[in-house]
Amino acid sequence: AQSVTQLDSQVPVFEEAPVELRCNYSSSVSVYLFWYVQYPNQGLQLLLKYLSGSTLVKSINGFEAEFNKSQTSFHLRKPSVHISDTAEYFCAVSFWGGYQKVTFGTGTKLQVIP
Amino acid sequence: GAVVSQHPSRVICKSGTSVKIECRSLDFQATTMFWYRQFPKQSLMLMATSNEGSKATYEQGVEKDKFLINHASLTLSTLTVTSAHPEDSSFYICSARYPVNLSGANVLTFGAGSRLTVL
Repeated sequence: AQSVTQLDSQVPVFEEAPVELRCNYSSSVSVYLFWYVQYPNQGLQLLLKYLSGSTLVKSINGFEAEFNKSQTSFHLRKPSVHISDTAEYFCAVSFWGGYQKVTFGTGTKLQVIP
Repeated sequence: GAVVSQHPSRVICKSGTSVKIECRSLDFQATTMFWYRQFPKQSLMLMATSNEGSKATYEQGVEKDKFLINHASLTLSTLTVTSAHPEDSSFYICSARYPVNLSGANVLTFGAGSRLTVL
């Protein structure tokens, strides 16, 4: 079975400071990895994804995540956060090939402090 | 592309009544849609997988007679909460599988969610 662990439930950070949101997964087979963002009272939006190829993936708003197979991690980073980045971030995993379910982590609430 | 519309965004109902939530894929066909429930400060719990033209597949512990799912077309799935009670109050989110490559990467596009409050 696959699982996702997000150790930090809340991460406060000052505006313009860097941030890392941690995500570790467990799977016996190759996986796809995702980060989704949820703003208050809204659905989830795909932030970035790793399917194959380059292990470093980037979003259009400055976030990046690196797939580390040996450490089974997919941490999300941003060098300088903005107030508008305040949201809940969910890491997710699904298996390669065919129909698969997506398993979500418990989420990390990023709170950017002015 | 890959937009999912969910309606209504908020609904308040009396205990014992039924509520229907719609999930539509606006610019793509979705043979498979998923319904999630999210409790406050918690992650998403997959309730069921909705398959166009066939019965939904429910996760363990989810009452299929209480949460009726219908996927009548390639762009519409509905969730009906029957005989709703206050404990059914929650944030319900639908998503559709959006294929991004031939290997079938399961990228999900989500609706904006529906907040149900049962009085």
